[in-house]
Amino acid sequence: KAGVTQTPRYLIKTRGQQVTLSCSPISGHRSVSWYQQTPGQGLQFLFEYFSETQRNKGNFPGRFSGRQFSNSRSEMNVSTLELGDSALYLCASSLRMGSVNTEAFFGQGTRLTVV
Amino acid sequence: GENVEQHPSTLSVQEGDSAVIKCTYSDSASNYFPWYKQELGKGPQLIIDIRSNVGEKKDQRIAVTLNKTAKHFSLHITETQPEDSAVYFCAASTDDMRFGAGTRLTVKP
Repeated sequence: KAGVTQTPRYLIKTRGQQVTLSCSPISGHRSVSWYQQTPGQGLQFLFEYFSETQRNKGNFPGRFSGRQFSNSRSEMNVSTLELGDSALYLCASSLRMGSVNTEAFFGQGTRLTVV
Repeated sequence: GENVEQHPSTLSVQEGDSAVIKCTYSDSASNYFPWYKQELGKGPQLIIDIRSNVGEKKDQRIAVTLNKTAKHFSLHITETQPEDSAVYFCAASTDDMRFGAGTRLTVKP
């Protein structure tokens, strides 16, 4: 069974640009969550998508957005990049049964560097 | 929203010793508490989890305890080995999952 796949693995962007990251969940998983990981800050929750709808959102500015497609693949977009957006972006997929959380499986992440 | 605090931020033990990592959470509605291990260059991987209707769970050398009244839960690793060296994250979940800041565990041979 294939795991969670994130592409690309590494990205270097310039301040002011925008970026799109992709996440393919485990087959059958309909929930995809995105996290930002920076040293000392742990994993900060960005948002969760379930069946193409944003289910939850963390405390990030509107420059961070996402979407989910009918095949459960998800993308997140960051516009007008700032230096502070440099981080490892992780996505996690899970079965999610209604409001009950189930085990989340993480991808290897996309390392974004903003210069 | 849920706030999870994790201590200590770094922990160094001798091989064979035990390691304990503690977390507190703020939302009494949280009902799922997983622990993840993250090795260098990899995404976090679930090592053990516990739900709010259980007070303790054990899997070989790893155990987790939950005190709902005090809103804290702990990870216990016994007979530590060098390959246990990694960053460990606790999380608490109501509807979405919030993580602690992580503990870097170093096991010295």
